[in-house]
Amino acid sequence: QVQLQESGPGLVKPSETLSLTCSVSRGSIINYYWSWIRQSPGKGLEWIGRVYDSGSTNYNPSLKSRVTISVDTSKNQFSLKLSSVNAADTAVYFCARHRLLYSGTSGLDYWGQGTLVTVSS
Amino acid sequence: QSVLTQPPSVSGAPGQRVTFSCTGSSSNIGAGYDVHWFQQLPGTAPKLLIYDNINRPSGVPDRFSGSKSDTSASLAITGLRAEDEASYYCQSYDSSLSGVVFGGGTKLTVL
Repeated sequence: QVQLQESGPGLVKPSETLSLTCSVSRGSIINYYWSWIRQSPGKGLEWIGRVYDSGSTNYNPSLKSRVTISVDTSKNQFSLKLSSVNAADTAVYFCARHRLLYSGTSGLDYWGQGTLVTVSS
Repeated sequence: QSVLTQPPSVSGAPGQRVTFSCTGSSSNIGAGYDVHWFQQLPGTAPKLLIYDNINRPSGVPDRFSGSKSDTSASLAITGLRAEDEASYYCQSYDSSLSGVVFGGGTKLTVL
């Protein structure tokens, strides 16, 4: 059973950069697409972006100017950086795997437990 | 405003059948992209409930079923149980946005 675990600071100051890492265990990061999703308190799911093992990325247009997602296949990890954060970026951040090999449109079958990131001074 | 439209709430009594709608457009569901459904219990990560419109992952009861037609999709739960009380989200892909899109979610209340 593939497991995903998010890690990173739980508190980020306004205007700074949010950085999170998703560690994948009991499975390989190779040949799959991996996404970051967030959920503001009491709100719905918002897709942030995805990365393939090659490093190829796609981002939500509403966040594209501030987001960078990268992958480190040697560590079986992928990462999220969101710059110039403000209070509206306070959310639980999830990482997840797209179910099918080579497919970035397939359903998200494995999710991390999520990590709350609060933006506050 | 979510790209996929879901009603904010649905309710039903134990044992009843309830349905959830997910309405998209010609750049996502109508373009032939598959729809996937998730169940999210409070304080937990979403769980894949239905993938590729109609398929259930191993372990998901057959009380849950999905369908898709034109620019919309539906999730049905039969034999409603108290433990089904959760939020339900649909997900697809949008070619105009070149990315994954979610519905706004529907909160199910079991009366």
